[in-house]
Amino acid sequence: KAGVTQTPRYLIKTRGQQVTLSCSPISGHRSVSWYQQTPGQGLQFLFEYFSETQRNKGNFPGRFSGRQFSNSRSEMNVSTLELGDSALYLCASSARGVQFFGPGTRLTVL
Amino acid sequence: EDQVTQSPEALRLQEGESSSLNCSYTVSGLRGLFWYRQDPGKGPEFLFTLYSAGEEKEKERLKATLTKKESFLHITAPKPEDSATYLCAVPAGPETSGSRLTFGEGTQLTVNP
Repeated sequence: KAGVTQTPRYLIKTRGQQVTLSCSPISGHRSVSWYQQTPGQGLQFLFEYFSETQRNKGNFPGRFSGRQFSNSRSEMNVSTLELGDSALYLCASSARGVQFFGPGTRLTVL
Repeated sequence: EDQVTQSPEALRLQEGESSSLNCSYTVSGLRGLFWYRQDPGKGPEFLFTLYSAGEEKEKERLKATLTKKESFLHITAPKPEDSATYLCAVPAGPETSGSRLTFGEGTQLTVNP
């Protein structure tokens, strides 16, 4: 089976802009989770979607949002970007309790 | 609040020098403990899941063990290609909360030839 794919792999934006990241889960996986990874905070949970519904949400501001489509593909959006949003954004799909991660999208905010 | 603490933060080994990484956790009702390996600039790669105290799992030079308060990742005769950051994580929240992992800060392992 193909693994989790994320696009784009790298992104450079300026403060105030918005960005949309995409994630395609492993075929058959219905749960998709998003994480932010930074050197100072480590891996932090953003949210989880299951069957197009947000099932879980982390402690991030409302500028961070997401959605899931009927084919389980997911997108996350960050509006009004801040310098502190620079991070590696990871998507994971899960089955039987195990999460499998994609390669991530490296977002740099200038 | 669920907490996961890993030690040491960084570890340098010579090739063939065995050692262990530690992951201490505080959770209300453990629903599994996960070990991942992460190479620079890449996503975490799943290694093991442990569910109950006393459980052990092995993969090549790695062996993970679990007690009621901590987990160890034993690395036997490591090779330079074992160099990576090793992360442990536990599912957060009640059983009905779905997939939400709380991660430790990781141990950065360097194996010198």
